[in-house]
Formats: sequence, C-alpha cells, structure tokens
Amino acid sequence: GQSLEQPSEVTAVEGAIVQINCTYQTSGFYGLSWYQQHDGGAPTFLSYNALDGLEETGRFSSFLSRSDSYGYLLLQELQMKDSASYFCAVLSGAGSYQLTFGKGTKLSVIP
Amino acid sequence: GAGVSQSPSNKVTEKGKDVELRCDPISGHTALYWYRQSLGQGLEFLIYFQGNSAPDKSGLPSDRFSAERTGGSVSTLTIQRTQQEDSAVYLCASSLAKANTEAFFGQGTRLTVV
Repeated sequence: GQSLEQPSEVTAVEGAIVQINCTYQTSGFYGLSWYQQHDGGAPTFLSYNALDGLEETGRFSSFLSRSDSYGYLLLQELQMKDSASYFCAVLSGAGSYQLTFGKGTKLSVIP
Repeated sequence: GAGVSQSPSNKVTEKGKDVELRCDPISGHTALYWYRQSLGQGLEFLIYFQGNSAPDKSGLPSDRFSAERTGGSVSTLTIQRTQQEDSAVYLCASSLAKANTEAFFGQGTRLTVV
C-alpha cells in the first residue's frame, strides 16, 4: 500500500518562508501533488511534480526527489491567508491513478 | 457541469438508518474518488472508480459502506445502518485519470449521525 508522512503542525511568521516536508512509500509512483485546504473548504490543487527538481508557481514552490521518496512545499512571503492545511498526495498505480493523501500539515501564519 | 457537485451538503440521520450521498463529477472525468475527513483530520481514502474498470474498494471501512458509479458519471456512496463514528465530511473528487493532472473536489457532504 501507500503511506505518507508530513508534520502535523507548523507555525510561521507573516512574510517569512516555510517548508513543509513529505516522505512517502508507494509502488507504481507517478508523481507527488500538494493540495491546500482552508477550514470548512474543499482541498484545492497547488502543484504536481513527476520529475526530480523544483517547480515554482508564484510564491509557492514544490520539490521532488524520487530516489529519496521525498518532497517538500515551500511557501515564500507568507501571508495570513496562507493559514490552512496542506496535504501531500501521491499519484500511483499500474495503469490506474490512485491518489493517496497524507494526514496534512496545519500551517498557522502569525503576525 | 462547471465543477464537482455533491448532495446533500448536510445530512443529519439517526443511528441505524441508511444514507445515500451523491457525487456529480466534472463531465469527461473518468476517475472518481471518495474520501472521508473527520474534523481536523486527513483525507481517508474510501473508493476509486476509473472508467469501466473494477473499482478499488480497498479503503471502505466496513461492509456497511458501498458505492456505485452509473454510466461512468454520477456516483452514489451508501452507508447502511449508520453509526456515530460514521459522522464526518465525505468528499468526492474527479480527474482525467492520467499523470500530471489535478483532482477537483466537491464541497463535500457533512454527515452527522445522532
């Protein structure tokens, strides 16, 4: 089966940079995704990494190392609105596209 | 439709009753996922449908849970003889069932068993 590990909570100051790590175990790995979920809302897609390296999208960047089964989400210039839960998810399967989520990291941005 | 639609948005039911939760995925999305999320917790995988393939039911917590997807579109998650521990938000997502694609989530059904 699949398993993912990420920290349960992170607190950071407005304007700072924060990194949320994710390690995973899976077979038939396609890629690693990150989703954001605000309280009471639905998860929304942030990024997807299939290849090693860093992908940048505005203030958010995501990194993947397939050999280490490790990835991270980097949030720069933190804003109060970034307070949310962040989930890493592996897309895996042999011909199927199973999407398995980690337990999520609750990010609190403080003034 | 424009997005994934779930109904009802809220459901309160008495312990022991059966409930049906509905998911309307984005048109053309062949992959459909059901997840369960308890308050402040992660997304627990329940079941996955892809096209005409047999669904992956490995996440269903007990035989009281079942799901079907008719015509490769609408899906219904049924919980029989509901228990209080079934109280959670049930989320549905759909995608194009290929690599490098995102899953789109509905707003969920908040189920409360009293």
